[in-house]
Amino acid sequence: DIVMTQTPLSLSVTPGQPASISCKSSQSLLHSDGKTYLYWYLQKPGQSPQLLIYEVSSRFSGVPDRFSGSGSGTDFTLKISRVEAEDVGVYYCMQGIHLPKTFGQGTKVEIK
Amino acid sequence: QLQLQESGPGLVKPSETLSLTCTVSGGSISSSSYYWGWIRQPPGKGLEWIGSIYYSGSTYYNPSLKSRVTISVDTSKNQFSLKLSSVTAADTAVYYCARHAAITMIVVVIPTYFDYWGQGTLVTVSS
Repeated sequence: DIVMTQTPLSLSVTPGQPASISCKSSQSLLHSDGKTYLYWYLQKPGQSPQLLIYEVSSRFSGVPDRFSGSGSGTDFTLKISRVEAEDVGVYYCMQGIHLPKTFGQGTKVEIK
Repeated sequence: QLQLQESGPGLVKPSETLSLTCTVSGGSISSSSYYWGWIRQPPGKGLEWIGSIYYSGSTYYNPSLKSRVTISVDTSKNQFSLKLSSVTAADTAVYYCARHAAITMIVVVIPTYFDYWGQGTLVTVSS
């Protein structure tokens, strides 16, 4: 199985400040079709996960532009340019090209 | 707006079979662009993909659960279902159904990422 490793596992951020989460995969997520199948989700407290970013850097419908994704191959980053109170929750990365589909352990983001 | 809703018993006895159904509204389960999947989350833990099904009945399962999992689809009802046999306390979790975007690799259609999720349903395994 592809292992997805996130760091840090928890993050406390002052509103208005940036935040960054790293995700590393145990194998490359670059496919021969040229796409990289790495995704980011946010699970707000008491809710189901919601898609934020697909294929490394594309924001899903309705996702604010303060969220951005970057990376290639096996190393990826999710950045929040200015954290807001509504951004609290657990962030997960997921790889979508290898079977079985696997998620990172999650990074809990809280507001200071 | 696409909506997915899980339904089924919230309590299952050890060694019995867990059965859940996901009803899809606001979209057709027969779309060629999507698989339909199940994911679970034990209390306080992370996410585990269980398996996914195409409208044609083609399935992919997580090998860690494959021997105990059956996913089926009923296109006439716009529903798909999960059966997990021989459950233990370790199967206690919130179970989510989700739409699983698909891509075509030469002639094979494979699932990639989940774009819409149901609200989840807690299933407790206990006697």
